[in-house]
Parts: sequence; structure tokens; C-alpha cells
Amino acid sequence: DTGVSQDPRHKITKRGQNVTFRCDPISEHNRLYWYRQTLGQGPEFLTYFQNEAQLEKSRLLSDRFSAERPKGSFSTLEIQRTEQGDSAMYLCASSAVGQSLSPLHFGNGTRLTVT
Amino acid sequence: AQSVSQHNHHVILSEAASLELGCNYSYGGTVNLFWYVQYPGQHLQLLLKYFSGDPLVKGIKGFEAEFIKSKFSFNLRKPSVQWSDTAEYFCAVKPVGYNKLIFGAGTRLAVHP
Repeated sequence: DTGVSQDPRHKITKRGQNVTFRCDPISEHNRLYWYRQTLGQGPEFLTYFQNEAQLEKSRLLSDRFSAERPKGSFSTLEIQRTEQGDSAMYLCASSAVGQSLSPLHFGNGTRLTVT
Repeated sequence: AQSVSQHNHHVILSEAASLELGCNYSYGGTVNLFWYVQYPGQHLQLLLKYFSGDPLVKGIKGFEAEFIKSKFSFNLRKPSVQWSDTAEYFCAVKPVGYNKLIFGAGTRLAVHP
């Protein structure tokens, strides 16, 4: 178990630029989640995939946000035309459907700062 | 909408003191309950979980939590904290039939030697 890997760890960008983050889940996990965490708050659900299918999206996920999981392996989260309010920690997590009591395993996150 | 409330945002204790962190949720149906911990500079890790059965669940590092259905609560306890327990603790709820965790705002615990 190599854990959930996220890249980059930190990203600083100027307002209006596009950014893309990558998540590599634990290899045998077929569910992948994206959460966002701001200072003083717990993680907030953004979206999740089962294999390559995106099954649910939060209302927090505006049309500037898009997530993909081609081939059901790694996932990318893209934010277009970034705004200062997008500054947050973006967390990825994975879990194994079909295994009872399978919890979410989180990565270290990507910290986005929009200047 | 479902929500999770953690009563204390910051807790400061001395080593060997007892710990209890409150967690209440708002959802009328069946839930799965979790406590996650985030040590400084590390990722969120599962501390313990409740799915069904005995409402008193034991987790790693001497932590336990009790599910009281009538109070919609899932409080975290540890009889004697250590300096290494300094971390942020998050309570989370997953309503059965939903596929996402709903987190509380977290409680930052500082344990002084």
C-alpha cells in the first residue's frame, strides 16, 4: 500500500490562470474522491468517481471546475480562470467498493494559493 | 441538509489529562461514523469508525468513541493523552445510502508536556 499520491504539493498561481492537479489513488481502489479544505474548516466534498464514471458533483463545484478519471486510474482536477476564493487545500481520497467497512484513504493534498 | 458539529475548536491539555471531544450530527436515518486525525504535516488518517453493533468502538492509539443514537452524538475519548496526540481531529458522518463523508470543522488539540 503506497498510499494516495497528489501532485503538486503546492501551487501558487495568479488570478485568472488555469491550474490542474493530479491524484493517484491506491491501486486496487475503485472509488476516488475530491474534497476541498479551507482554513478552520473540515474537508468539503466536491466530487467522486467509481472507476471512470463521475457519479456525483457538489454544488460547490462551479462550471470552472472539472474533474476526470480516464481509465479509472489517476484523476485530474482542473480549475479554470482561478479566483482568490479558490485558495484552499485540495484533497484526494480513495476507497474500495465492495469491501465492507472500507474507509477513505486521503492523500497529503495540494495547497493552492491564488494571488 | 446533513451537517456535523464539533463543539470545541481548540483544546489545550496537559499530558496525562483525559480527553473528550464532542461531535453531533444532523441526520435522521442510519449513519456510519468516523473520527479522522491529522498530525502536523501529515495526511488525514482514520482513527476509528462505527458501522453497527456495539456503540462503543475502540480505535488506534488508545482512542475510543461512543455512539449515542438518541443524542445524535459520537464523542471521542482518551483516558490519558500524550504529547504525541497533538493534532487536529475531525468527526465525519456518512449517511447510509450516500457515498460521501460529511466532516465537522475539526478540533485542534494541543497537549503540553
